[in-house]
This record gives sequence, C-alpha cells and structure tokens, in this order.
Amino acid sequence: DQQVKQNSPSLSVQEGRISILNCDYTNSMFDYFLWYKKYPAEGPTFLISISSIKDKNEDGRFTVFLNKSAKHLSLHIVPSQPGDSAVYFCAARVLYGNKLVFGAGTILRVKS
Amino acid sequence: ETGVTQTPRHLVMGMTNKKSLKCEQHLGHNAMYWYKQSAKKPLELMFVYSLEERVENNSVPSRFSPECPNSSHLFLHLHTLQPEDSALYLCASSQDYGTGNLLQPQHFGDGTRLSIL
Repeated sequence: DQQVKQNSPSLSVQEGRISILNCDYTNSMFDYFLWYKKYPAEGPTFLISISSIKDKNEDGRFTVFLNKSAKHLSLHIVPSQPGDSAVYFCAARVLYGNKLVFGAGTILRVKS
Repeated sequence: ETGVTQTPRHLVMGMTNKKSLKCEQHLGHNAMYWYKQSAKKPLELMFVYSLEERVENNSVPSRFSPECPNSSHLFLHLHTLQPEDSALYLCASSQDYGTGNLLQPQHFGDGTRLSIL
C-alpha cells in the first residue's frame, strides 16, 4: 500500500504559467516532506522541503504548500520555464530518522 | 570530483552472472543508501548504512548483498538475479541517519541501469 501518492502521471504547462504538482499521503508519522527533481539519465536532485509544522515554504520560483488536515501537499512553480521539464518526486520522511518514502513521480513538460 | 558517483552507468548481465555496483560519495557524509527504481514505480529503499553499519534492510532478497567498507564507499553485489530485477539502482548519501530532528536531504548519484537477460 503506497503511503505517498502522486496521482497525476504527467502535466503539461505553457511557459510562463504556473505549474502545480500534487501529492497525497496516508501516514501521520511523517515529519518532513520533500520534492526532488529528476532529469533523464541523472539522479534525483533535492529541490525544496517543508516541515510538518509549517504550511508553506518558498524558495525563489518554487513554493510548497502543506495541508495537514487533508494530508495533501503541492509544489507550485511560478513562472514555469522549459528547463523545469523533468520528473518531480514527492517524498516524506519518517519521524525520527532519515528514511524517505517516495511517490511514483509526475512528469512535467513546460512548452515554449 | 564532487557529489555521488555510481559505476557502471549501464550493466547487462545474465541470470547466472555475478557483478557488483559501486557508489562513492565525496561529501563527507556518514549515511549511504541503495534504492531500486522500476519503471513508473516509486523509489524503493533497499538498504541503509550509517557509519559503515547496516541499519535498514527492507526485505531485500539475498541475491542482493550490500557492502560498506568505509563511509565513502558502498557496493551492491549481485548474484543469480531474475528478470524482474532489471531496474535503475540509485545510491544516495546524507550527513547522518537517525540523529536529531534536522532534515538532512539525501544526495543521489546518477544510477546504474541494470538489465537482466
């Protein structure tokens, strides 16, 4: 049973518009949530995180929102750029450790 | 050299072969991880080493045998693999494992694409 789910396998967005990637989780014992970005033939790279005690974290064009009551988080990219085209993985850290549980990923395509 | 380096990048082997995957990190980290990524599936954690001691083994078949001779190197020895073991194998490292509450993001290598004939 998947504890972290990314229900949209892919998303296509026009350059300059907002990209919104979604993630749902089932386990209340996660203390941090992370987003990783992966280009073809490369490993995932860490993008942004949010603590479970926060509801928003922003870093430049990237903002992550956490809704604990809904067990839902989202990554907003504004404005989207063609170089943002990649697979985005949502991950959750198990409380008191560094073990991560990953979603299956969402392929983002930003069209110019 | 920087980051996490994995070799080889691609590996094709028969089911009766023995081979090893290698991972090296140059970040001064104390924890190292092996993940398996099959097509359209989440990354699955296989093993975790902290200070050269195995601390996680997620019900991985014995045909996969990890080795961590020091905090900079991690190996995955492969023996008598099955076709369903074909996947991308990713190595990662982080500063520590299981200490304190601070988030320590894992840094990944580019992976080894393994194909079992």
